[in-house]
Order: sequence, then structure tokens, then C-alpha cells
Amino acid sequence: AIRMTQSPSSFSASTGDRVTITCRASQGISSYLAWYQQKPGKAPKLLIYAASTLQSGVPSRFSGSGSGTDFTLTISCLQSEDFATYYCQQYYSYPSSTFGQGTKLEIK
Amino acid sequence: QVQLVQSGAEVKKPGASVKVSCKASGYTFTSYYMHWVRQAPGQGLEWMGIINPSGGSTSYAQKFQGRVTMTRDTSTSTVYMELSSLRSEDTAVYYCAREDLSGSYYIIWGQGTMVTVSS
Repeated sequence: AIRMTQSPSSFSASTGDRVTITCRASQGISSYLAWYQQKPGKAPKLLIYAASTLQSGVPSRFSGSGSGTDFTLTISCLQSEDFATYYCQQYYSYPSSTFGQGTKLEIK
Repeated sequence: QVQLVQSGAEVKKPGASVKVSCKASGYTFTSYYMHWVRQAPGQGLEWMGIINPSGGSTSYAQKFQGRVTMTRDTSTSTVYMELSSLRSEDTAVYYCAREDLSGSYYIIWGQGTMVTVSS
């Protein structure tokens, strides 16, 4: 099974900061990677798919990059509503899928 | 609008089974594969399996093989996930999520169903 490892697991940042979250796959997954945002008590929300394609309606301060085994999610200018937990998901091994363990972004 | 509405919270005893429903509306039910994903309290997301609402074919994560059954009812546009031989580690929120036509990522999610396994 393909393992997805995110880093860091949690960190603190301030409004206006630029932040980057990393996701590494245990084997190459081409660009079959998605990023989600989850807030407490809510279902995840898709932000990015195909590693770098912004989902409709998602603010442009979110961006994704990478291919193969190494991927990043960048938030260019943190807003208060961005404090949440972020997950990467590989869907290369269709129909199965695996998620990273999550990165909790907290207010400093 | 497109939405997935799941059944309500459940409390089950160890060894019992639970069946969670996910009713789709706002789109052609048989055109999109449906996945189930669960999340234990304070933990990450775990993929459980997939069902093709058109033909009913399924594929399950190895971890759940033999314990999970996914079915569908096209007359009501509803998919079901049944998990048997429940144990405390199965306490989680269970989500249905619709696969996009362009790839196996999930734009549309159900609201989640909390299943608590406790004696």
C-alpha cells in the first residue's frame, strides 16, 4: 500500500504568513494527488486536485505543486478562516486511496 | 443542488453490526462512483471502499475485507455501508463521498455519521 507522510504534523502561524505543507508518497504517484481542508465537526473540503489544479471556488492564495513522490500545499497569505487541518490524498492506486495523517494549522 | 444526506448517529455494542445510509440527490445517481471514508476521533481519514451505483460492483480496503458490505438501491438513490463484528476501534465518523468524473478525488461529501461502539 502507498503511504502518505505529511510534515509537519502541526504548527503555529500568524495571519498574513506564507505557509507550506509537505506530503511525501512512499512510491511515485505521478500527479494523482489532492489536498483537503477540514474544520472541526465538518466534512473535508477539496482544495486542490491533480497536484496543482485549484478546485472551483477555492481562493487563489491556495496553490499546489509537485509530482512523483514530493508535493507541497502553499497558502500565500494566511487568513483567519484558513486555520484548520489539511490532508493530502493519493488516488494513483485506484480504486483504493490513502490519506496523509494530517497537518493541523493553529493560530500563533 | 447536489448533496449527500447520511443517516443519523448510532450506538452499538461490540460484536454487533451497523448499517449507514447515504441518500444522493441533485444528479444522476448511477453516473458517479461512491466511496466510504471514516475518521476515528482525533485521527485522520481512512478509505474503506467503493461502490459502483450502476452495476453494484464493489472494492474494499483489505483491512475491512470480510466485515464490510456496500450496497445500493437505485430506486431511492441510496448507498449503504454495513460493518459487522464491531469493536471499539470502529468508533468513528463515517462519510460517503462522491468520486469526481475526472479523478478519484471527492468534491461532494455527506455530512458524516457518528458510530459509537461501546458496551
